Amino acid sequence: ETGVTQTPRHLVMGMTNKKSLKCEQHLGHNAMYWYKQSAKKPLELMFVYSLEERVENNSVPSRFSPECPNSSHLFLHLHTLQPEDSALYLCASSQDAMWTGQSKNIQYFGAGTRLSVL
Amino acid sequence: GQQVMQIPQYQHVQEGEDFTTYCNSSTTLSNIQWYKQRPGGHPVFLIQLVKSGEVKKQKRLTFQFGEAKKNSSLHITATQTTDVGTYFCAGPRYYKYIFGTGTRLKVLA
Repeated sequence: ETGVTQTPRHLVMGMTNKKSLKCEQHLGHNAMYWYKQSAKKPLELMFVYSLEERVENNSVPSRFSPECPNSSHLFLHLHTLQPEDSALYLCASSQDAMWTGQSKNIQYFGAGTRLSVL
Repeated sequence: GQQVMQIPQYQHVQEGEDFTTYCNSSTTLSNIQWYKQRPGGHPVFLIQLVKSGEVKKQKRLTFQFGEAKKNSSLHITATQTTDVGTYFCAGPRYYKYIFGTGTRLKVLA
């Protein structure tokens, strides 16, 4: 148990569906991340939030919409996805978004949501 | 932009053999982290290296940070079946860590 919980663990959706992925961290961290993991790109950063403010949007298509209502929760809203969006979506958190040299700023990952788009 | 490459992409070894994965960055890194992802699991932090030329050991694992702080290596001595998984290096850039392409290790009993 890493202290980062993702739900659901598995999700199958059609291209016209709207669904949301949820991530919750119980570590008191200030930064949260969404990653996409597929065979083509092992760990592809999508979004970074620091103190509930989005600080990084890594050229992600608008059909992925993140939301960070507070520092413990992160959502990824999915709409009109394509089959190539099928992948493992990993959430992570760390003490801070930027490494300041004061701590290791380790990223703690959740177990992920395995998404299949039909 | 900054890229972090790892070689090899895959490695199959007999149990008891040694294994090394190499990580190379296109830019100088302030620090480098290593993570391990077991099959079906999620990445788990192993170690962080900060100083130029730094070497750290964790039991059979030896981590090294290059003198120029642009490359790093992970060496496993006498691999065991519990070592299977994908090993990632990661270097910081502003508000993110750039993860390497990973090396998938299979250990044959």
